[in-house]
Amino acid sequence: SAVISQKPSRDICQRGTSLTIQCQVDSQVTMMFWYRQQPGQSLTLIATANQGSEATYESGFVIDKFPISRPNLTFSTLTVSNMSPEDSSIYLCSVVEGPYSPLHFGNGTRLTVT
Amino acid sequence: KQEVTQIPAALSVPEGENLVLNCSFTDSAIYNLQWFRQDPGKGLTSLLLIQSSQREQTSGRLNASLDKSSGRSTLYIAASQPGDSATYLCARRGETSGSRLTFGEGTQLTVNP
Repeated sequence: SAVISQKPSRDICQRGTSLTIQCQVDSQVTMMFWYRQQPGQSLTLIATANQGSEATYESGFVIDKFPISRPNLTFSTLTVSNMSPEDSSIYLCSVVEGPYSPLHFGNGTRLTVT
Repeated sequence: KQEVTQIPAALSVPEGENLVLNCSFTDSAIYNLQWFRQDPGKGLTSLLLIQSSQREQTSGRLNASLDKSSGRSTLYIAASQPGDSATYLCARRGETSGSRLTFGEGTQLTVNP
């Protein structure tokens, strides 16, 4: 299965600033996704990162707050903009290699906003 | 509306015990169901993927079953070990949801030595 590297693994940020999270995969993958896991909760899909075009956002998530890039089939970034303490979560990159393949996750970025 | 439910929310067992984790879903139009393991503060590790046409999948001491008609999946762990302690999540991929998964809340498993 694909090896997914996510950076940074954790960060502590001040309110009002932005953080960009990187996701690098060691092989070309069909689809890349960004999930959020708030403390004590399960995962919620933020958006599907589309190669060469704008990401597809889920209800409740907007591009101005969570801009996403995917310049090629192995790399994507998620930016958490104008952060507030409510953005403190684990952010996870995930990929699918093919239509019948399982979803695989990176190790996540643990974000704390003070 | 809770689309994927996992019971129990937490489970503590002695080492060596066989155990079953339950996952139920409200929409039986399922493409596949996937079980994951999450260690504290870490990402998710894929354990088993069951396609809608399959009834079960096995990997080592793990066996996952799928019953579409009843909207249920179970994860069976044989001869549990302290290293199995983690949160186990199931996730449903619907027939019309593209590649999006809907996750359950997870079962936090503790295996005591």
